[in-house]
Amino acid sequence: SQQGEEDPQALSIQEGENATMNCSYKTSINNLQWYRQNSGRGLVHLILIRSNEREKHSGRLRVTLDTSKKSSSLLITASRAADTASYFCAMLYSSASKIIFGSGTRLSIRP
Amino acid sequence: DAGVIQSPRHEVTEMGQEVTLRCKPISGHDYLFWYRQTMMRGLELLIYFNNNVPIDDSGMPEDRFSAKMPNASFSTLKIQPSEPRDSAVYFCASSLAPGENEQFFGPGTRLTVL
Repeated sequence: SQQGEEDPQALSIQEGENATMNCSYKTSINNLQWYRQNSGRGLVHLILIRSNEREKHSGRLRVTLDTSKKSSSLLITASRAADTASYFCAMLYSSASKIIFGSGTRLSIRP
Repeated sequence: DAGVIQSPRHEVTEMGQEVTLRCKPISGHDYLFWYRQTMMRGLELLIYFNNNVPIDDSGMPEDRFSAKMPNASFSTLKIQPSEPRDSAVYFCASSLAPGENEQFFGPGTRLTVL
């Protein structure tokens, strides 16, 4: 399976702390995207990083990509209660024309 | 634009019944995707269309599942006959060129087969 693996599966932190989620994949990719899913809702796109990029920022989000390790990380700084959600990475593999979603990380922010 | 629209939002049916899920993609998006999400299997791509033509249906689990896109603004996913293991949340998503652009997801249809 080309599905990405995310780690940890679940993460609980205090409001204001930083949250880091990791994604590992199997073979070479063209790009990697991160999505958020609030409970009972559809997924919402957060950020896309291309294979020739190493880091990207969007507001409180910071994404890194290490193609040599076939891994990416999503950092959410100064977490808020509204960040409570599941987060998924999605890979566009070089050999495919569709993106494959990872297994997701459930993030809970404690007030 | 109202975003991707799915109907119904919830569907409860009995085993053996036919189920039809509907999707209206965002206007101008050439690609439409159907996903299934369960706790056990996560988010699975079932099928996707480009310009109303099915491109990859390798994720469709069985012949009981079929999908159509008769025009650029409407798609259906049909399950006939339905089984309890089909219970899941089904998402429709649309995008411009896949992978290079974000996918926009609908709110999903929660299907329960008794």
